[in-house]
Amino acid sequence: EIVMTQSPATLSVSPGERATLSCRASQSVSNNVAWYQQKPGLAPRLLIYGASTRATGIPARFSGSGSGTEFTLTISSLQSEDFAVYYCQQYKNWPPWTFGQGTKVEIK
Amino acid sequence: QVQLVQSGAEVKKPGSSVKVSCKASGGTFNSHAISWVRQAPGQGLEWMGGIIPILGAGHYAQKYQGRVTITADESTRTAYMELRSLRSEDTAIYYCARAQAPPPYNNGMVLWGQGTTVTVS
Repeated sequence: EIVMTQSPATLSVSPGERATLSCRASQSVSNNVAWYQQKPGLAPRLLIYGASTRATGIPARFSGSGSGTEFTLTISSLQSEDFAVYYCQQYKNWPPWTFGQGTKVEIK
Repeated sequence: QVQLVQSGAEVKKPGSSVKVSCKASGGTFNSHAISWVRQAPGQGLEWMGGIIPILGAGHYAQKYQGRVTITADESTRTAYMELRSLRSEDTAIYYCARAQAPPPYNNGMVLWGQGTTVTVS
């Protein structure tokens, strides 16, 4: 099973600042990584797929990068609506597809 | 509007089973993977298993092998997840989610159901 490890667990950021979230895979997943945003009480929302492609309707301040085992989600200028929990997920091989444990982005 | 609509909340006794449904309205159903993802209270997302309806066979995370069955009915555009031998640790929100593209691309899970709360007590 491919293990996805996210860091940090919690990121404290001021509105307008840049946030950088990391995700590491235990073995290469090529670019088969997605990022999701989840707000309390809601289902996750797909932000990024293919490691770097924004999903439909996702603002340009969200960007993804990486390949192989190291991946990054960057939010260039945090807006109030961006404070949430973010998950990476690999979909290279199933079963299983696996998620990271999540990074909570909170207001500093 | 393309959406996945799940069945309602369930309260179950330990040792019993639960079967959650996920009905697709609009969009592609047969050729895109449907996954089941669960989230225990205050915890992260956990992929349980999935199915590509046109292929028919469920695929499961090892943790759930033998205890979960995922099926799909193409005629009603509905996927199902049955979890047996329930214990208190199975108390969670269960989501169905559809891949954005057919395999081998998949491209993440773009469409999510609203979630079904299962309480085991």
